[in-house]
Amino acid sequence: DAKTTQPPSMDCAEGRAANLPCNHSTISGNEYVYWYRQIHSQGPQYIIHGLKNNETNEMASLIITEDRKSSTLILPHATLRDTAVYYCIVRLMIKAAGNKLTFGGGTRVLVKP
Amino acid sequence: GAGVSQSPSNKVTEKGKDVELRCDPISGHTALYWYRQRLGQGLEFLIYFQGNSAPDKSGLPSDRFSAERTGESVSTLTIQRTQQEDSAVYLCASSLGALRRDGLPNTEAFFGQGTRLTVV
Repeated sequence: DAKTTQPPSMDCAEGRAANLPCNHSTISGNEYVYWYRQIHSQGPQYIIHGLKNNETNEMASLIITEDRKSSTLILPHATLRDTAVYYCIVRLMIKAAGNKLTFGGGTRVLVKP
Repeated sequence: GAGVSQSPSNKVTEKGKDVELRCDPISGHTALYWYRQRLGQGLEFLIYFQGNSAPDKSGLPSDRFSAERTGESVSTLTIQRTQQEDSAVYLCASSLGALRRDGLPNTEAFFGQGTRLTVV
């Protein structure tokens, strides 16, 4: 799976949008971009994923650049409960490669009141 | 069950002893993964099961580590002759599988709460 680069940490004000960047310059055509987060003392939680189109769900939006070399996860109105480590993962989605998730260091997001 | 269940939630063992960690995946999920997370660090992939295919063992750190899964049900991760560096949270996850029936990739892996292993 392609390597991803994320800032190690960032702060966000409660109620404001949080924009989390991720670089994946070596991504290949059959790799998807996935985001997970891990709240302290819990297992990781899926947030969103995409291939090349921007995606939105009830938790977040995912903006993928046209060249697919980077993406941004947007939490539209951050709450204190969004404080967590956010992992950006690119992942092969062909059957032979299986479904392995390879986690990097992630971004530690602290939402402040 | 409602989610991925792991047991025990906490395990303290003496150095040199063997331990078994259990994972009950979500019913119907063909894929099952084990990860290790040391204190303050990211998730380290250990092993992946997909249906009846040979497991991907590429992340197992040594031959003291092994895992089994019978069919598409329970999995056990066994650590033999535990060492202090094995202390970590061991996380299990399951998902529907590599591809959905319509050929599109499935969406997410569901994680359990983990087993916190402390080797003293």
